[in-house]
This record gives sequence, C-alpha cells and structure tokens, in this order.
Amino acid sequence: QLQLQESGPGLVKPSETLSLTCTVSGGSISSSSYYWGWIRQPPGKGLEWIGSIYYSGSTYYNPSLKSRVTISVDTSKNQFSLKLSSVTAADTAVYYCGTNYEGAFDIWGQGTMVTVSS
Amino acid sequence: SYELTQPPSVSVSPGQTARITCSGDALPKQYAYWYQQKPGQAPVLVIYKDSERPSGIPERFSGSSSGTTVTLTISGVQAEDEADYYCQSADSSGLMARVFGGGTKLTVL
Repeated sequence: QLQLQESGPGLVKPSETLSLTCTVSGGSISSSSYYWGWIRQPPGKGLEWIGSIYYSGSTYYNPSLKSRVTISVDTSKNQFSLKLSSVTAADTAVYYCGTNYEGAFDIWGQGTMVTVSS
Repeated sequence: SYELTQPPSVSVSPGQTARITCSGDALPKQYAYWYQQKPGQAPVLVIYKDSERPSGIPERFSGSSSGTTVTLTISGVQAEDEADYYCQSADSSGLMARVFGGGTKLTVL
C-alpha cells in the first residue's frame, strides 16, 4: 500500500523559496503507472493543483504558477520535491503531495502547513 | 484559464439524495473526478473517470456526466457524509493541466 509523507519548513520568509519533499513508501517512485503531484489549499479555501512529474522527469505545471515552480524527482531516495520561488503571503497553505494515476489523485499525503511570514 | 464551476453549498436531510454539479467546457472530452474532504483531513477520491467508484467507497456515492456538466450523487445521505466535495478534471489544451472546482459544502440537516 503506497504511502506519502510531506516534509519541509513550516515557515518561509517573503521573497524566499519554499522547498518541500514528499517521501514515497510501500512502492517505487519509478513505477510507470503513476505521475506524482503537488496540490495546495490556502486556509479556508479550495484545492489548487501545482504540478505533476513522471519518474522520467517529465513535468506539468499549473500555468498560473509555472514561472515560480520546479518539481523534481530523486529515484534513489524514492522522493519527489517542490520548489516555489519568490513566495508571498498568498502562498500560505497546506501543501499535499499525491499520486496522480490516470488523471486522479488517488493517494494523498497528510499535508503540511507552510506559512509565509517575516 | 480553464475553470470548473460548483455550487458553494448544498443542504439535504438524512436519508435524502444529494446532487452536486460541476460544469466546465472541457468535460465532454475529459474525465471528471470527485473528492470528499472532511475538516482537518486530506481529500479522499470518491469517484474517478466520471462514474467509477474506488474500492472502499460506499455504493451510495455515484457519478454521472451529461455534456458540460458532471454530477456527484449521494443516495440515502448519512450524517458522516457532511463534508466539502471537489470536482477535478483537466483542460483540453493537451498540456495536461489539472483543475479543481471551487468546492461544495454539503450540509446534512
């Protein structure tokens, strides 16, 4: 049974880069069945897809965030990562990682709260 | 940018049927997915590919599609079904951009 766990700083200063890692257990990130995605949810608001990556490194980003987002994969560590640059208070959110299987996000991490504040 | 439109709220009494709609121009060409999210929890996939139900999801959850609108139907609503529900799909640009609807709060009266 695949499980995902997000990790990273809970507090980031404005204008800096937010960095999060998602560790995959119970299966291989190199599985050809899955894409791996990041989704976020600002407090009290809805879900927003950030981007997805295939184990080969192919990436797909939300057009509204594309200029600031980098998603990468480390198959040796069974992890994939998110970097979001030039953050502002509007980037404060719970960040989820998830499996992206045939279009659906079918397995989610528990989420990690990231606050952007000085 | 592509958008999926959901009603902000739906209210039903226990035992009744709840229907939550999601509208988007690309829905005739792209599958829709539905998620249930309870407070403080990660979303859970309840419907995939318009009308398929993942294992472990109760049979009272069903999905349908007609033109530019997809519908999540919960038959015989129970108190535990009170949650936020989100639809999700992809745009038709070929860029594989995923999109979520704004979410619908289901209240069980």
